[in-house]
Amino acid sequence: QKEVEQDPGPLSVPEGAIVSLNCTYSNSAFQYFMWYRQYSRKGPELLMYTYSSGNKEDGRFTAQVDKSSKYISLFIRDSQPSDSATYLCAMSARSGGGADGLTFGKGTHLIIQP
Amino acid sequence: KAGVTQTPRYLIKTRGQQVTLSCSPISGHRSVSWYQQTPGQGLQFLFEYFSETQRNKGNFPGRFSGRQFSNSRSEMNVSTLELGDSALYLCASSLVAVNNSPLHFGNGTRLTVT
Repeated sequence: QKEVEQDPGPLSVPEGAIVSLNCTYSNSAFQYFMWYRQYSRKGPELLMYTYSSGNKEDGRFTAQVDKSSKYISLFIRDSQPSDSATYLCAMSARSGGGADGLTFGKGTHLIIQP
Repeated sequence: KAGVTQTPRYLIKTRGQQVTLSCSPISGHRSVSWYQQTPGQGLQFLFEYFSETQRNKGNFPGRFSGRQFSNSRSEMNVSTLELGDSALYLCASSLVAVNNSPLHFGNGTRLTVT
């Protein structure tokens, strides 16, 4: 079993829909959770950063962490064609990723149809 | 503020050769991490440097090495290249290698080994 599991997709939804992206993990030591967006031929761009359990909202994006279930989610409201990209979840135990490295899911390829 | 800069963007090398990749972190960021991204394995942590010292290393062979200079710029080196080393190599920086300091990635160096 991999430490972080993420459905690779592709996930195709119509413009304006609510998108739900998810990851499950097995390491209960993880405390820092991130979502990155990666466009083709670009590096990952940080979207959301959360510590421990709970919700965090930023514009059209909402991140949820349920440590009891070892499950994290990213919701995108009013999805736009420009949201089409690969979304990567990442997590770490001791920090935001500097010292102990981040463990990534393999990413979900999202397509927003105009 | 300029982002993480990686050079070169593309490299083509032959098996057995060695290669050096360069990374300039965001101004003021002192922690630099390196990741390898492949379609099969996703993003995997290589190593992290802080104040010119390697603080952590992922599960990669000794052919992969790196260093950090006093101005926080970093280089990574891969010796005796193998076909399987073909990948996108990503550099990321963070303000400090402690809590609440997420990673910001560059656009990577695409290495092709023939």
